[in-house]
Amino acid sequence: AQKITQTQPGMFVQEKEAVTLDCTYDTSDPSYGLFWYKQPSSGEMIFLIYQGSYDQQNATEGRYSLNFQKARKSANLVISASQLGDSAMYFCAMRGDSGGSNYKLTFGKGTLLTVNP
Amino acid sequence: EAGVAQSPRYKIIEKRQSVAFWCNPISGHATLYWYQQILGQGPKLLIQFQNNGVVDDSQLPKDRFSAERLKGVDSTLKIQPAKLEDSAVYLCASSLVGLEQYFGPGTRLTVT
Repeated sequence: AQKITQTQPGMFVQEKEAVTLDCTYDTSDPSYGLFWYKQPSSGEMIFLIYQGSYDQQNATEGRYSLNFQKARKSANLVISASQLGDSAMYFCAMRGDSGGSNYKLTFGKGTLLTVNP
Repeated sequence: EAGVAQSPRYKIIEKRQSVAFWCNPISGHATLYWYQQILGQGPKLLIQFQNNGVVDDSQLPKDRFSAERLKGVDSTLKIQPAKLEDSAVYLCASSLVGLEQYFGPGTRLTVT
C-alpha cells in the first residue's frame, strides 16, 4: 500500500519569495515515482514535476524543484520567486513502478498556497 | 495539442437518479483514468483503462458505478442510482503508457 502525507493544510508566501511545500510518503515498492500537481480554483490538475526513485539528481522544471530525500522518504516541492498566479492547491502523489501496467496515482490531501502581493 | 475533454462541467441531480459523464483523452494516449475527488481531499482512482481493457477497478463501487471505453478512445462513467455521498468532482486523466497523467477540467456533481 502507498501513502502520501502533506502536513501543511495552508501556506502563505510573499510574492517573489521562495516557498517549500512538504510531502512524505510510504511504500513497499522498491521502485516508484513521485509527482506534484497544481490545482487552481478552476479545478483542473496541472502536472508540475516528476522524480523517479532511482534518479540521482533532484528534478527541476523552471521555477519548480523537487527536494528528494530518499532515506527520509520526503519529496518536498520548492517554488522559487513566487508569483500571484501560483496561488492554488498543490498535491503530492506517488505511483509504484515495479512492473505491471497499473499506473494509478495515490494523492495526499493537498496544501493550499496563497501568494500575497 | 488538445487536452483531455470532459462533459458536462457541472451536474445537479437528486438522489436515486442516474448520471453519466463523458471523457475524450489526448489523442494517442492509451491509458485513461477516472478519479473521484471529494471536497477537501486528493483524487482517488476509480478505474484505469489501457486501450479498452480494465487494469484496475478495485475502488469502483460496482453496485452503482460503471465505466466503459469502447474502441479504446472515449470513455463514459455512469452512476445509477446516485447517493448523497457521490457529490464530488469526477476527473478524467490520460497518459502515454507509464508516463505522467494529464487531467481534464473535471465534472462537478452535486447530489441533492
